[in-house]
Amino acid sequence: EAGVTQFPSHSVIEKGQTVTLRCDPISGHDNLYWYRRVMGKEIKFLLHFVKESKQDESGMPNNRFLAERTGGTYSTLKVQPAELEDSGVYFCASSRNRAQETQYFGPGTRLLVL
Amino acid sequence: KQEVTQIPAALSVPEGENLVLNCSFTDSAIYNLQWFRQDPGKGLTSLLLIQSSQREQTSGRLNASLDKSSGRSTLYIAASQPGDSATYLCAVRPGTDKLIFGTGTRLQVFP
Repeated sequence: EAGVTQFPSHSVIEKGQTVTLRCDPISGHDNLYWYRRVMGKEIKFLLHFVKESKQDESGMPNNRFLAERTGGTYSTLKVQPAELEDSGVYFCASSRNRAQETQYFGPGTRLLVL
Repeated sequence: KQEVTQIPAALSVPEGENLVLNCSFTDSAIYNLQWFRQDPGKGLTSLLLIQSSQREQTSGRLNASLDKSSGRSTLYIAASQPGDSATYLCAVRPGTDKLIFGTGTRLQVFP
């Protein structure tokens, strides 16, 4: 069974540009989560999808971030326009069920905004 | 507001030692607690998941305990090996589905 995959693995962009991150969850996992770690800080929750619906987006920092999950399969996270403080590692995770289940994490996308 | 703290921040031990990593959380109302391992430049690998009703979980040389009432969890690693070198993260799941992470313990096991 393939794990959670993320693309790209690294992205370097200039301030003001747009970047789109993609996450493919484990097949059959209805729950998809986005997290990020900025330099020197702990990993923090961004949002949670159940299938194609946003269940909780309380961690999204501002309206420059837009997450979608078309058809309840893969998800994208777009940052537009990117700012310097958006630099960090963006992780995606998925799980089959909700509260009782392990969340399985992808390798992350390392974003650097110059 | 739930806060998760991990002590120590870094640990360096010789191969073969048994060691304990600590995780504390401020709000005991959690569904479960999960321990992860992160290798440099890699994603998070789930090690153990302890439900709120459980006291401990074991996998190989790893044993995690949970004392919900005191807001503490420990990860015990027996007979440490150089391959155990990584950052260890604990995360709690409060009343919602998101995980709240600690800042991690960076472990180095030298031969």
